[in-house]
Amino acid sequence: QAALTQPPSASGTPGQSVTITCTGTSSDVGGYNSVSWYQQYPGKAPKLLIFEVTERPPGVPDRFFGSKSGKMATLTVSRLQPEDEAFYYCISYAGSESWVFGGGTKLTV
Amino acid sequence: EVRLVESGGALVQPGGSLRLSCEGSGFSLSASSVHWVRQSPGRGLEWIGRMRNRANMNAAGYSPAVRGRFTISRDDTTNTAYLQMDNLQPGDTGIYFCGRSAVDARIRAPDFWGQGTRVIVSS
Repeated sequence: QAALTQPPSASGTPGQSVTITCTGTSSDVGGYNSVSWYQQYPGKAPKLLIFEVTERPPGVPDRFFGSKSGKMATLTVSRLQPEDEAFYYCISYAGSESWVFGGGTKLTV
Repeated sequence: EVRLVESGGALVQPGGSLRLSCEGSGFSLSASSVHWVRQSPGRGLEWIGRMRNRANMNAAGYSPAVRGRFTISRDDTTNTAYLQMDNLQPGDTGIYFCGRSAVDARIRAPDFWGQGTRVIVSS
């Protein structure tokens, strides 16, 4: 059950857009519409940004957008703001009551 | 206000055991599934396990890294979930977070997390 693949880092300037990818296999990302994305500041709890590929919980700005194609899911952050600088993690259901995280991406704004 | 509070983290020797608690408030844990994840120092999140709610037979799943050593349980009467950790090893060191999925669907990831409790496994 290997971790999902995320780029270790991403960057952008305020106002720009940035995308973070999350690549898995047909047994996880490609097999279920379950991918969620979390934002985490150092020393803090993760915060849910996107669930089930494209859904945003109440209160999450529409600057955060999720999508998926095949075995790769993508988080797009548009109109970057300084407070978006954080770590971002994807997670996917992997069958048989198991889940798997991506390795995380540090976003620098 | 929804809250999850983990407790029970400590310094423990290799081979030892520890039980972590995750107490929910502001919502009914009984309807939720509960996940545990950990974060080793300077590293990413690692999924440990999940227990579904009673309607889903309290079905549980674990990562290969902890299967057979860690056990999730729950007491819905006290709105508390537990993570029993046995035969702890230095690689188990980290911050342990519990999370809940308010809608216990098979592919629904946690929507809320506690602040974590620290576990250190060292002699």
